[in-house]
Amino acid sequence: GENVEQHPSTLSVQEGDSAVIKCTYSDSASNYFPWYKQELGKGPQLIIDIRSNVGEKKDQRIAVTLNKTAKHFSLHITETQPEDSAVYFCAATSGNKLTFGGGTRVLVKP
Amino acid sequence: GAVVSQHPSWVICKSGTSVKIECRSLDFQATTMFWYRQFPKQSLMLMATSNEGSKATYEQGVEKDKFLINHASLTLSTLTVTSAHPEDSSFYICSAPSARITTYEQYFGPGTRLTVT
Repeated sequence: GENVEQHPSTLSVQEGDSAVIKCTYSDSASNYFPWYKQELGKGPQLIIDIRSNVGEKKDQRIAVTLNKTAKHFSLHITETQPEDSAVYFCAATSGNKLTFGGGTRVLVKP
Repeated sequence: GAVVSQHPSWVICKSGTSVKIECRSLDFQATTMFWYRQFPKQSLMLMATSNEGSKATYEQGVEKDKFLINHASLTLSTLTVTSAHPEDSSFYICSAPSARITTYEQYFGPGTRLTVT
């Protein structure tokens, strides 16, 4: 089955700086890669996603890149704000079954 | 985006009792829903796939007789934790793909915190 590795597990950044989270996956058949933000005690919220036929996607301060050959994808958050503090999960899917990475706890210091 | 709700948001039960958790898609129909379990400071682990009108598919290591899933309508799936024990205490989250948008995007419910005493 699919295996998704996520790094780093924790990330502390100064407000205004950028944050980068990286994930690798094992199943070359995976074709959809969403990123979720989870706040304490809440369910995950989809923040951006990318499909295997696209190399990069951007939505305001958030961008995701995908390298199919290397089987890795990354989340980039620019101009971080305190409200960006949360746990972020990457995931990969072939079909509709998601496999999650281990999560990254992001702390944005004011 | 699509909205998924869960009820209850939290529940405390005594060891040996059963607890039912509901997952509803509010503004779309879902022939498939997914149930996850999340322990503190850990990732989401898929427990089972709930299929409307048919039996659920369980992931390896998940006891189907302990975690009963019923998907009786296109907007409702239920997870019943039978004979709950303290080790079943966890955050249970459901999700559903919204075919109205694409078949890929999954929307998650707010989760149900189960504490077994």
